[in-house]
Amino acid sequence: GNSVTQMEGPVTLSEEAFLTINCTYTATGYPSLFWYVQYPGEGLQLLLKATKADDKGSNKGFEATYRKETTSFHLEKGSVQVSDSAVYFCALSPISSGSARQLTFGSGTQLTVLP
Amino acid sequence: DVKVTQSSRYLVKRTGEKVFLECVQDMDHENMFWYRQDPGLGLRLIYFSYDVKMKEKGDIPEGYSVSREKKERFSLILESASTNQTSMYLCASRLPGGGDYGYTFGSGTRLTVV
Repeated sequence: GNSVTQMEGPVTLSEEAFLTINCTYTATGYPSLFWYVQYPGEGLQLLLKATKADDKGSNKGFEATYRKETTSFHLEKGSVQVSDSAVYFCALSPISSGSARQLTFGSGTQLTVLP
Repeated sequence: DVKVTQSSRYLVKRTGEKVFLECVQDMDHENMFWYRQDPGLGLRLIYFSYDVKMKEKGDIPEGYSVSREKKERFSLILESASTNQTSMYLCASRLPGGGDYGYTFGSGTRLTVV
């Protein structure tokens, strides 16, 4: 079946540090890949996505590149801010429709950025 | 932008009560989902619906039921609330058909059962 493995947290960084959160997946074919962010007390928001190999998703300074050779979709940001403190979820959507309508989520990675 | 609205942000209910969590989306999405989120367990799918009056069990349906009488509304029902159902509940909706479409989530309902 499909699965998503995320880097264990929590991750604590100082402001302006470089961020990488690792995500690898197992799926049949070439799924679409997503990063979601959850701020304290809120629901999840779509941060970025990539729908085919070598695509790069980007938003708010965050980037992730769909690497089919390593089945990975690592999240990066060059300089984090205190406001980036949140939980980050990697997710995949199978390429087929039909019964496989739901996303598969990773377990989430808590990021804390200190001033 | 698609909006998914959950009727309550915080809810406190007593053990044994019947509890209704409501979710409404405004973009004509066919697919709707209910998850619960607990520390250390991530997101777990309770039920989902791919059309009006259609429903399918997710990974943890026990103790829950759902109702989808109209396309825009998907209700989660706790038939007899128990303390182990204290959790954050998240509703989401999505266009059908697959790969390119992610979910749009509501803000969540934090339910406490006492």
